[in-house]
Amino acid sequence: NAGVTQTPKFQVLKTGQSMTLQCAQDMNHNSMYWYRQDPGMGLRLIYYSASEGTTDKGEVPNGYNVSRLNKREFSLRLESAAPSQTSVYFCASRGETYNSPLHFGNGTRLTVT
Amino acid sequence: GENVEQHPSTLSVQEGDSAVIKCTYSDSASNYFPWYKQELGKRPQLIIDIRSNVGEKKDQRIAVTLNKTAKHFSLHITETQPEDSAVYFCAASMSGTASKLTFGTGTRLQVTL
Repeated sequence: NAGVTQTPKFQVLKTGQSMTLQCAQDMNHNSMYWYRQDPGMGLRLIYYSASEGTTDKGEVPNGYNVSRLNKREFSLRLESAAPSQTSVYFCASRGETYNSPLHFGNGTRLTVT
Repeated sequence: GENVEQHPSTLSVQEGDSAVIKCTYSDSASNYFPWYKQELGKRPQLIIDIRSNVGEKKDQRIAVTLNKTAKHFSLHITETQPEDSAVYFCAASMSGTASKLTFGTGTRLQVTL
């Protein structure tokens, strides 16, 4: 049982380049999330998806797009990377009840030069 | 939306002492309050959570207390050990489909020998 799997683990981009972060979960969860983690700022929600086919903006959505490809997969795309997007990105999923825990992937460390 | 404040940002205690981390939240509709531990270079993992109909919850050396009137909750770690050294995040969430977890900014706990 892999849980939440993210790829890649590390990535270096130049300003203006694009890339897609992949995320898949095998726990049959409807809800999936993308967070970014920056020093001193905690975990901030970028986008989330309540179910297949739906996505909503979180706290810091600017510069990102997402796709909920199916129930298992939720990808995050940076169309034109900026140095301000240098961060650690975590995908997470959650069960159906409000007190279900978030299950995080191992994270993607992204550097934009 | 919900806003979660967490204090202190860093905390250093001697092995065997107790550690307390405090959080406040803004939205009185929040009713689920988890705590996550993140070791260096790893993903956040749930260590304990509390629901709004409970004032206190314990799990071995870890306890969480909730004061709904004051809108604050705290994590208590007793008999600290070096392996407790990590970053701790509090979070708050409301009921509802794909309810979002809003995180505090984190507390770096250092347990010294």
